[in-house]
Amino acid sequence: AQTVTQSQPEMSVQEAETVTLSCTYDTSESDYYLFWYKQPPSRQMILVIRQEAYKQQNATENRFSVNFQKAAKSFSLKISDSQLGDAAMYFCAYRGFGNEKLTFGTGTRLTIIP
Amino acid sequence: NAGVMQNPRHLVRRRGQEARLRCSPMKGHSHVYWYRQLPEEGLKFMVYLQKENIIDESGMPKERFSAEFPKEGPSILRIQQVVRGDSAAYFCASSPRLSNEQFFGPGTRLTVL
Repeated sequence: AQTVTQSQPEMSVQEAETVTLSCTYDTSESDYYLFWYKQPPSRQMILVIRQEAYKQQNATENRFSVNFQKAAKSFSLKISDSQLGDAAMYFCAYRGFGNEKLTFGTGTRLTIIP
Repeated sequence: NAGVMQNPRHLVRRRGQEARLRCSPMKGHSHVYWYRQLPEEGLKFMVYLQKENIIDESGMPKERFSAEFPKEGPSILRIQQVVRGDSAAYFCASSPRLSNEQFFGPGTRLTVL
């Protein structure tokens, strides 16, 4: 079974600085998708960024980028120029190719220090 | 296009009662997923449905829980004879056919007294 591990329960960063959230996963599959979701206090799950495992290029969405290391099974999220609105729980998630369900990590609570 | 809708947003039940959670997927989406989030934990997959079919229920508890997605109307997650351990946030997500992205609703927070 696939597992997703987020080893940082909490992180904090000064506003305008850069922070990296870690995620590792375990799978025997070669094709899969990886996601980062943001859950603010409203509890709404918001997709931040996604990565297809067959793509070597790291995904980027504005201030958010990932460092995808397939051999190491690592998928970290970098947030540049942190803003107060980035404060939230961040969940890493895995989805196998041909499998519909998402497997989530336990989350990292990100605090932005003004 | 309205997002995924869930109701009620908050539901309080006493032990032994039934809870019915409803999910209306986004327009044009034929796939529905239910996840449960216990306090201070990540989301855990429960069930994946298409219209009138349960595709994967590997995450559903064997007893008291059931789900349906009828031809017409919302998807329903039903919990019979609720216990305190059922208290959690229940999220529904939907996707169109052949998509790798799931769109989440705002969740229903179930509290069992």
